[in-house]
Amino acid sequence: AQSVSQHNHHVILSEAASLELGCNYSYGGTVNLFWYVQYPGQHLQLLLKYFSGDPLVKGIKGFEAEFIKSKFSFNLRKPSVQWSDTAEYFCAVNEGIKAAGNKLTFGGGTRVLVKP
Amino acid sequence: NAGVMQNPRHLVRRRGQEARLRCSPMKGHSHVYWYRQLPEEGLKFMVYLQKENIIDESGMPKERFSAEFPKEGPSILRIQQVVRGDSAAYFCASSPPGSGTGFQPQHFGDGTRLSIL
Repeated sequence: AQSVSQHNHHVILSEAASLELGCNYSYGGTVNLFWYVQYPGQHLQLLLKYFSGDPLVKGIKGFEAEFIKSKFSFNLRKPSVQWSDTAEYFCAVNEGIKAAGNKLTFGGGTRVLVKP
Repeated sequence: NAGVMQNPRHLVRRRGQEARLRCSPMKGHSHVYWYRQLPEEGLKFMVYLQKENIIDESGMPKERFSAEFPKEGPSILRIQQVVRGDSAAYFCASSPPGSGTGFQPQHFGDGTRLSIL
């Protein structure tokens, strides 16, 4: 079965620091990849997605992610974080085959705390 | 433009009672998904429905849990005879019909926090 691993459960950093969150998945075939963010008390919002094409994907709020197929990874990055980036971040994967349907497999999440 | 609407936001039940969670998808969306988030864990897929059809229920517990998405009205996730372990946040997501890419990103609701006393 598909699994998604996010290596860091908690990350604490200061404003203007760079952020990188790791995500690895286990499925060896075609995948659709996502990063979602959940701000305190709010619903999940889509940050960015990868279906095909350029493996470097740019999303909202200055976030980007790089798909490295050989490493089964889809790491999220932001060069300079702000206090408002404090949130929980989830990596999610969909097996890109029709039989898998539309379900997403999520990683365990990474809580990011940005200190002012 | 309303997003995915879930109600109630918070639900408290005693052991043995029934819990009903409702989800109205975004306008134009015909696919609904339910996920469960246990404390300190990520979201786990439960079930995927289209109008009047269950497409994938591979993540649903075998007993006490059921889901429906009728022709009219919201999708309902029903948990019978709740137990303490059912305490979790239940998220609903919706997506429009596929348009050739085969996959449409899902939009999430605010979730229902279920607490079992």
